[in-house]
Parts: sequence; C-alpha cells; structure tokens
Amino acid sequence: AQTVTQSQPEMSVQEAETVTLSCTYDTSENNYYLFWYKQPPSRQMILVIRQEAYKQQNATENRFSVNFQKAAKSFSLKISDSQLGDTAMYFCACYNTNAGKSTFGDGTTLTVKP
Amino acid sequence: DAMVIQNPRYQVTQFGKPVTLSCSQTLNHNVMYWYQQKSSQAPKLLFHYYDKDFNNEADTPDNFQSRRPNTSFCFLDIRSPGLGDAAMYLCATSRDPGQSDGYTFGSGTRLTVV
Repeated sequence: AQTVTQSQPEMSVQEAETVTLSCTYDTSENNYYLFWYKQPPSRQMILVIRQEAYKQQNATENRFSVNFQKAAKSFSLKISDSQLGDTAMYFCACYNTNAGKSTFGDGTTLTVKP
Repeated sequence: DAMVIQNPRYQVTQFGKPVTLSCSQTLNHNVMYWYQQKSSQAPKLLFHYYDKDFNNEADTPDNFQSRRPNTSFCFLDIRSPGLGDAAMYLCATSRDPGQSDGYTFGSGTRLTVV
C-alpha cells in the first residue's frame, strides 16, 4: 500500500516571506511521480508542481520549488515571496504509474498574513 | 478552454434517495477519476476508468457505482445515500496512466444528505 503523510495540519506565513511544507511518502514502486496540489477555499484544486521520481533535479515553477530526497522519501514544497493568493490547502500526492492513480496526504492549510 | 466540468455544484438529496453526479471533460483525456473528500481530509479514490476499463477500489462501498458512456462523460451513482456519504465529490482526469502530467480537477459537487 502507498501512503503519503503531511505532518503539518496548519501553517501560517507573513506576506513576502518564505515557507516550507513537509511531505513524506512510502511506496514500493520504482516508477512514480510526486505532486503538490493547491485547493483555495471553495475553489478548484489545481496542480502546483510535479516531480518525476527518476530525476534527481528538484522541480521549480516560479516561486514554488521542491526539495526531493528520494532515499528519505521526502518531498517538501517551498513557497518564496508568499502572496495573499497563496492562502489555500496544499495536498501532496504520490502517483503510482503501474496502478495509474494517486494517493493524497491529509493536506496542510496555509494562511498568508498581510 | 479545455476543462473538467462537474454538475451540479451543490446537490441536496434525501436519505436513501438515489442520486447521480456528473462529470464531463473537453480535454480528451483517457483516464477519469472519482474522489470523495470529506471536510479538510485527503481526497479518497473511489474508482477510475482508463478508457472503458473500470477500476474499483477495494474499500469503495457497493452503494457507489459509476458509468462512463463515452470519453467525455463519467457519472457517479449513489444508490442509497446515507448521512455518512455527505462530502465533496471530485472528478479528475489525466492524459495517460503511464506518464502522469498530473490531474485536472473539476470544481467538485458538494453533496448534502438530509
């Protein structure tokens, strides 16, 4: 069975500061992908960033970057220059290529304070 | 714009009265997923389709059924809703199970059981 753990139920950060959200996962698969999704209040869940497990280089998308530690099965999300619009619930997910589906963590609610 | 559309956005149903939720996509993605998300919890996969190939999760109750009549549409049928089935139901799509670009989500249907 595949599991994804997000140990921080809630976090807050001041606008323009940097915050890191933690995620650990466990899978027996060799071929998998890792994702961070953002779910703003009462709005659609959207993809933030994607990491291919066989690539060592950490993915980056503008202000969002990851720290992927494959041996430790850790996949944290760093948000730089936080903006009020970053306020949302963030879900870490592990996609099993063989099964064709993702397992999600319980989420971290991030509040960006002005 | 290509997208995933869920109807209705909000659904109120009576205890035990069958209800159907719908999802349509204009992305021409091969895979469609139904997730159940209870308040501030991880989305939980109910089932998914790869083309017409149906994949049920082992712990999905028999009360939940699904249909995919064509590539664009997928339906979630709850035969006898109970109070515990009140949740947000998320439809998601992905292009190809072998190389995931991540999911595209609909806005969700919030189901209330009275």
